[in-house]
Amino acid sequence: NAGVTQTPKFRILKIGQSMTLQCTQDMNHNYMYWYRQDPGMGLKLIYYSVGAGITDKGEVPNGYNVSRSTTEDFPLRLELAAPSQTSVYFCASSPDNRSPLHFGNGTRLTVT
Amino acid sequence: GENVEQHPSTLSVQEGDSAVIKCTYSDSASNYFPWYKQELGKRPQLIIDIRSNVGEKKDQRIAVTLNKTAKHFSLHITETQPEDSAVYFCAASPMNRDDKIIFGKGTRLHILP
Repeated sequence: NAGVTQTPKFRILKIGQSMTLQCTQDMNHNYMYWYRQDPGMGLKLIYYSVGAGITDKGEVPNGYNVSRSTTEDFPLRLELAAPSQTSVYFCASSPDNRSPLHFGNGTRLTVT
Repeated sequence: GENVEQHPSTLSVQEGDSAVIKCTYSDSASNYFPWYKQELGKRPQLIIDIRSNVGEKKDQRIAVTLNKTAKHFSLHITETQPEDSAVYFCAASPMNRDDKIIFGKGTRLHILP
């Protein structure tokens, strides 16, 4: 099993550009999460999904969108990138909300 | 909703001594409490977890204790080593299956030589 795979690993965007961060898992997990982590800070939840076709906002959803059309994939869309979105983005998955989270290796995004 | 408070935010410990990180939670129905370790530049990884039907769990130098009445749980690391230097996050999971796990803000642990 590859676990949770995130692409790309690094990206530099100009202000106003858009991009999609990809996340896929091969463990048949129902729950998937997107977090952002600013330097020296904790994990802030952007969006999460408890199953295909279901998504819900976390604590910092503004400026982002997600979709969950399959169990495996949970892409995160940034529209009109802003410098405040410079961060490391982690995707995670788990079978349910009472099991360990499996994190991807992260995407380091810089918006200039 | 659930709220998790974690203390301290930074902890420095002499190599070989013990380290204790404490977390409190607000939702008495929460029943799953994992701890994650994040080394510099890496992803968070689970190091130990405990469920609400257990008061203590150990794994070599790491232990977690849970006090359901007081709604707090703690991570204990004994005989600390340089490789224990990292950021540690506690989390609490609510009873509702459609709800999300909540993380504490993290503790940066420094092991001093």
